[in-house]
Amino acid sequence: QKEVEQNSGPLSVPEGAIASLNCTYSDRGSQSFFWYRQYSGKSPELIMFIYSNGDKEDGRFTAQLNKASQYVSLLIRDSQPSDSATYLCAVGVGSSYKLIFGSGTRLLVRP
Amino acid sequence: NAGVTQTPKFQVLKTGQSMTLQCAQDMNHNSMYWYRQDPGMGLRLIYYSASEGTTDKGEVPNGYNVSRLNKREFSLRLESAAPSQTSVYFCASSARTGDTEAFFGQGTRLTVV
Repeated sequence: QKEVEQNSGPLSVPEGAIASLNCTYSDRGSQSFFWYRQYSGKSPELIMFIYSNGDKEDGRFTAQLNKASQYVSLLIRDSQPSDSATYLCAVGVGSSYKLIFGSGTRLLVRP
Repeated sequence: NAGVTQTPKFQVLKTGQSMTLQCAQDMNHNSMYWYRQDPGMGLRLIYYSASEGTTDKGEVPNGYNVSRLNKREFSLRLESAAPSQTSVYFCASSARTGDTEAFFGQGTRLTVV
Protein backbone atom coordinates (compact mmCIF):
# COMPACT_ATOMS: atom_id res chain seq x y z
CA GLN A 1 0.00 0.00 0.00
CA LYS A 2 1.36 3.38 -1.00
CA GLU A 3 1.62 5.88 1.80
CA VAL A 4 -0.25 8.54 -0.19
CA GLU A 5 -2.90 7.59 -2.75
CA GLN A 6 -4.70 9.59 -5.42
CA ASN A 7 -6.87 8.73 -8.42
CA SER A 8 -4.80 9.29 -11.53
CA GLY A 9 -7.74 10.69 -13.53
CA PRO A 10 -8.10 12.44 -15.79
CA LEU A 11 -10.83 14.38 -14.06
CA SER A 12 -12.68 16.38 -16.68
CA VAL A 13 -14.90 19.31 -15.68
CA PRO A 14 -16.50 22.13 -17.67
CA GLU A 15 -15.26 25.69 -17.24
CA GLY A 16 -16.90 27.33 -14.24
CA ALA A 17 -17.60 24.06 -12.42
CA ILE A 18 -16.18 22.89 -9.10
CA ALA A 19 -13.35 20.38 -9.36
CA SER A 20 -12.91 18.02 -6.42
CA LEU A 21 -9.59 16.23 -5.95
CA ASN A 22 -9.09 13.59 -3.29
CA CYS A 23 -6.19 12.02 -1.44
CA THR A 24 -5.85 9.37 1.27
CA TYR A 25 -2.83 8.61 3.42
CA SER A 26 -1.84 5.65 5.56
CA ASP A 27 0.25 7.11 8.42
CA ARG A 28 -2.10 8.20 11.23
CA GLY A 29 0.68 10.27 12.77
CA SER A 30 0.95 12.59 9.76
CA GLN A 31 0.57 16.24 10.69
CA SER A 32 1.20 18.25 7.52
CA PHE A 33 -0.58 18.09 4.18
CA PHE A 34 0.10 19.90 0.94
CA TRP A 35 -1.37 20.33 -2.52
CA TYR A 36 1.01 21.05 -5.40
CA ARG A 37 0.17 21.85 -9.00
CA GLN A 38 2.39 20.72 -11.85
CA TYR A 39 2.03 21.85 -15.43
CA SER A 40 3.35 19.54 -18.11
CA GLY A 41 7.14 19.74 -18.32
CA LYS A 42 7.38 22.06 -15.31
CA SER A 43 8.28 21.74 -11.65
CA PRO A 44 5.65 21.34 -8.93
CA GLU A 45 4.52 24.50 -7.15
CA LEU A 46 2.65 24.79 -3.88
CA ILE A 47 -1.05 25.71 -3.96
CA MET A 48 -2.05 25.16 -0.35
CA PHE A 49 -1.06 23.51 2.89
CA ILE A 50 -3.24 22.44 5.80
CA TYR A 51 -2.37 21.17 9.26
CA SER A 52 -5.67 21.12 11.17
CA ASN A 53 -8.94 19.29 10.66
CA GLY A 54 -11.55 21.22 8.74
CA ASP A 55 -11.48 23.58 5.78
CA LYS A 56 -8.94 26.16 4.69
CA GLU A 57 -9.82 28.59 1.93
CA ASP A 58 -7.54 30.64 -0.31
CA GLY A 59 -9.26 32.39 -3.18
CA ARG A 60 -10.83 29.75 -5.46
CA PHE A 61 -9.12 26.92 -3.61
CA THR A 62 -10.32 25.10 -0.50
CA ALA A 63 -8.37 22.36 1.22
CA GLN A 64 -10.25 19.96 3.48
CA LEU A 65 -8.66 17.67 6.05
CA ASN A 66 -10.22 14.81 8.00
CA LYS A 67 -7.56 13.11 10.11
CA ALA A 68 -9.97 10.51 11.51
CA SER A 69 -10.69 9.29 7.98
CA GLN A 70 -7.10 9.97 6.81
CA TYR A 71 -8.44 11.99 3.93
CA VAL A 72 -7.50 15.32 2.41
CA SER A 73 -9.16 17.01 -0.53
CA LEU A 74 -8.83 20.08 -2.72
CA LEU A 75 -11.79 21.94 -4.17
CA ILE A 76 -11.30 24.34 -7.05
CA ARG A 77 -14.27 26.66 -7.57
CA ASP A 78 -15.03 28.39 -10.87
CA SER A 79 -12.54 26.13 -12.67
CA GLN A 80 -10.65 27.74 -15.55
CA PRO A 81 -8.85 26.13 -18.50
CA SER A 82 -5.64 27.45 -16.96
CA ASP A 83 -6.28 25.12 -14.00
CA SER A 84 -5.67 22.14 -16.29
CA ALA A 85 -2.63 20.45 -14.74
CA THR A 86 -1.64 17.54 -12.54
CA TYR A 87 -2.40 18.04 -8.86
CA LEU A 88 -0.11 16.32 -6.40
CA CYS A 89 -1.03 15.58 -2.81
CA ALA A 90 1.94 15.47 -0.40
CA VAL A 91 2.11 14.39 3.24
CA GLY A 92 4.77 14.78 5.90
CA VAL A 93 5.15 11.16 6.99
CA GLY A 94 6.79 9.48 9.92
CA SER A 95 8.78 10.80 12.83
CA SER A 96 11.05 12.74 10.48
CA TYR A 97 8.13 14.11 8.43
CA LYS A 98 9.70 13.06 5.15
CA LEU A 99 7.63 14.53 2.33
CA ILE A 100 5.84 11.79 0.39
CA PHE A 101 3.80 12.51 -2.73
CA GLY A 102 0.87 10.74 -4.29
CA SER A 103 0.91 9.81 -7.96
CA GLY A 104 -1.12 12.90 -8.89
CA THR A 105 -4.52 13.54 -10.46
CA ARG A 106 -4.68 15.07 -13.92
CA LEU A 107 -7.36 17.74 -14.17
CA LEU A 108 -8.80 18.86 -17.52
CA VAL A 109 -11.03 21.93 -17.59
CA ARG A 110 -13.08 22.08 -20.80
CA PRO A 111 -13.79 25.58 -22.22
CA ASN B 1 16.72 35.10 -6.75
CA ALA B 2 17.84 31.65 -7.97
CA GLY B 3 15.99 29.42 -5.43
CA VAL B 4 16.91 25.79 -6.19
CA THR B 5 19.35 25.20 -9.03
CA GLN B 6 19.97 21.79 -10.56
CA THR B 7 22.64 20.81 -13.04
CA PRO B 8 22.61 19.46 -15.66
CA LYS B 9 19.17 19.93 -17.23
CA PHE B 10 19.56 17.04 -19.65
CA GLN B 11 21.88 14.04 -19.66
CA VAL B 12 22.25 10.86 -21.67
CA LEU B 13 24.27 8.03 -20.13
CA LYS B 14 25.25 4.61 -21.31
CA THR B 15 24.42 1.64 -19.11
CA GLY B 16 27.10 1.24 -16.46
CA GLN B 17 28.33 4.84 -16.56
CA SER B 18 28.34 6.95 -13.42
CA MET B 19 27.33 10.55 -12.88
CA THR B 20 26.48 13.06 -10.20
CA LEU B 21 23.48 15.38 -10.25
CA GLN B 22 24.15 18.63 -8.50
CA CYS B 23 21.67 20.71 -6.50
CA ALA B 24 22.16 23.99 -4.67
CA GLN B 25 19.72 26.25 -2.84
CA ASP B 26 20.19 29.84 -1.73
CA MET B 27 17.24 30.10 0.69
CA ASN B 28 19.13 28.98 3.81
CA HIS B 29 16.88 25.93 4.04
CA ASN B 30 17.70 23.11 6.40
CA SER B 31 16.08 20.25 4.48
CA MET B 32 16.75 19.01 0.98
CA TYR B 33 15.25 16.19 -1.10
CA TRP B 34 15.81 14.20 -4.25
CA TYR B 35 12.80 12.83 -6.13
CA ARG B 36 12.35 10.98 -9.37
CA GLN B 37 9.25 11.30 -11.54
CA ASP B 38 8.16 8.66 -13.99
CA PRO B 39 4.97 8.79 -16.09
CA GLY B 40 1.94 7.96 -13.93
CA MET B 41 4.08 7.52 -10.81
CA GLY B 42 4.06 10.97 -9.29
CA LEU B 43 7.14 12.01 -7.35
CA ARG B 44 8.97 9.25 -5.51
CA LEU B 45 11.41 10.18 -2.76
CA ILE B 46 14.91 8.81 -3.29
CA TYR B 47 16.83 10.36 -0.39
CA TYR B 48 16.41 13.34 1.84
CA SER B 49 18.50 15.36 4.23
CA ALA B 50 16.70 16.83 7.22
CA SER B 51 19.67 19.00 8.10
CA GLU B 52 23.31 19.51 7.23
CA GLY B 53 25.26 16.37 8.05
CA THR B 54 22.31 13.94 7.91
CA THR B 55 20.86 11.87 5.08
CA ASP B 56 18.09 9.26 5.08
CA LYS B 57 16.60 6.85 2.60
CA GLY B 58 13.29 7.55 0.98
CA GLU B 59 10.98 5.26 -0.98
CA VAL B 60 13.33 4.22 -3.80
CA PRO B 61 16.99 4.55 -2.66
CA ASN B 62 18.49 1.51 -4.41
CA GLY B 63 21.10 2.40 -7.02
CA TYR B 64 21.68 5.90 -5.65
CA ASN B 65 23.94 7.63 -3.18
CA VAL B 66 23.78 11.16 -1.84
CA SER B 67 26.04 13.70 -0.21
CA ARG B 68 24.98 16.75 1.77
CA LEU B 69 28.12 18.69 1.06
CA ASN B 70 27.12 21.72 3.14
CA LYS B 71 23.90 23.51 3.97
CA ARG B 72 23.48 24.73 0.39
CA GLU B 73 24.35 21.65 -1.65
CA PHE B 74 22.91 18.15 -1.94
CA SER B 75 24.19 15.87 -4.69
CA LEU B 76 22.81 12.60 -6.08
CA ARG B 77 25.14 10.00 -7.53
CA LEU B 78 24.40 7.10 -9.82
CA GLU B 79 27.35 4.72 -9.55
CA SER B 80 26.37 2.37 -12.38
CA ALA B 81 23.47 3.68 -14.38
CA ALA B 82 20.71 1.32 -15.54
CA PRO B 83 17.91 1.89 -18.07
CA SER B 84 15.43 1.68 -15.15
CA GLN B 85 16.93 4.93 -13.86
CA THR B 86 15.72 6.83 -16.91
CA SER B 87 13.53 9.50 -15.34
CA VAL B 88 13.14 13.16 -14.51
CA TYR B 89 14.93 14.00 -11.29
CA PHE B 90 13.85 16.87 -9.06
CA CYS B 91 15.74 18.41 -6.19
CA ALA B 92 13.76 20.33 -3.59
CA SER B 93 14.42 22.21 -0.37
CA SER B 94 12.35 23.37 2.58
CA ALA B 95 12.96 25.27 5.79
CA ARG B 96 12.18 22.13 7.79
CA THR B 97 11.48 18.53 6.81
CA GLY B 98 7.92 17.80 5.79
CA ASP B 99 5.99 20.58 7.48
CA THR B 100 6.89 23.61 5.40
CA GLU B 101 6.66 24.45 1.71
CA ALA B 102 9.12 22.63 -0.52
CA PHE B 103 10.62 24.56 -3.42
CA PHE B 104 11.69 22.62 -6.50
CA GLY B 105 14.46 22.93 -9.00
CA GLN B 106 13.71 22.83 -12.71
CA GLY B 107 14.47 19.12 -13.01
CA THR B 108 17.05 16.97 -14.78
CA ARG B 109 15.90 14.73 -17.60
CA LEU B 110 18.13 11.66 -17.54
CA THR B 111 18.12 8.98 -20.21
CA VAL B 112 20.11 5.77 -19.77
CA VAL B 113 20.62 3.80 -22.97
